[in-house]
Amino acid sequence: GIQVEQSPPDLILQEGANSTLRCNFSDSVNNLQWFHQNPWGQLINLFYIPSGTKQNGRLSATTVATERYSLLYISSSQTTDSGVYFCAVDQETSGSRLTFGEGTQLTVNP
Amino acid sequence: GAGVSQSPSNKVTEKGKDVELRCDPISGHTALYWYRQRLGQGLEFLIYFQGNSAPDKSGLPSDRFSAERTGESVSTLTIQRTQQEDSAVYLCASSLAATVVRSSYNEQFFGPGTRLTVL
Repeated sequence: GIQVEQSPPDLILQEGANSTLRCNFSDSVNNLQWFHQNPWGQLINLFYIPSGTKQNGRLSATTVATERYSLLYISSSQTTDSGVYFCAVDQETSGSRLTFGEGTQLTVNP
Repeated sequence: GAGVSQSPSNKVTEKGKDVELRCDPISGHTALYWYRQRLGQGLEFLIYFQGNSAPDKSGLPSDRFSAERTGESVSTLTIQRTQQEDSAVYLCASSLAATVVRSSYNEQFFGPGTRLTVL
């Protein structure tokens, strides 16, 4: 099956700093989503982005499907950005199941 | 409802007992998914429904696990003869559709999960 690798596994920032999270995947995808899992375990949808670039406030994402990677940018980080960020992909050949990476644990200190 | 809902939010059971977990998808969503998240790990796919049929059951870890969906709405995940390794958070997701190529119809939205603890 498809492999999804996220980096870095852990990231500690001071409030106000910028960061880039990376997601590499091993095969062509039909769907790519970025999620933020908050400390209560709820998965919050950030982006649906199988290709191209999107922005939402302080967050933006870019997926280069031909090179099989996606980047999530967080600017001017806030303590409420803390949590785990997951990338998940739906392989073209296997239907609709999402395969998740192991996540990036982000801690933003005041 | 406004989002995906799941019940119960927490379930503690004894090894060997059967449990049922419920998922109510977003109204109008035809596709429904179950995933499992073990402590400190990413999510793993269990089963997917399109309408009331389950074209992909390949993620179910053993024959102790089963799921059904009725009325193209509510789904129930049943775990028989629970084992300690079944302890995890079970998450349900839904989407408008599932197989439209590179369409936001495929975007999956998750419920809050059911935390299952098997003693």
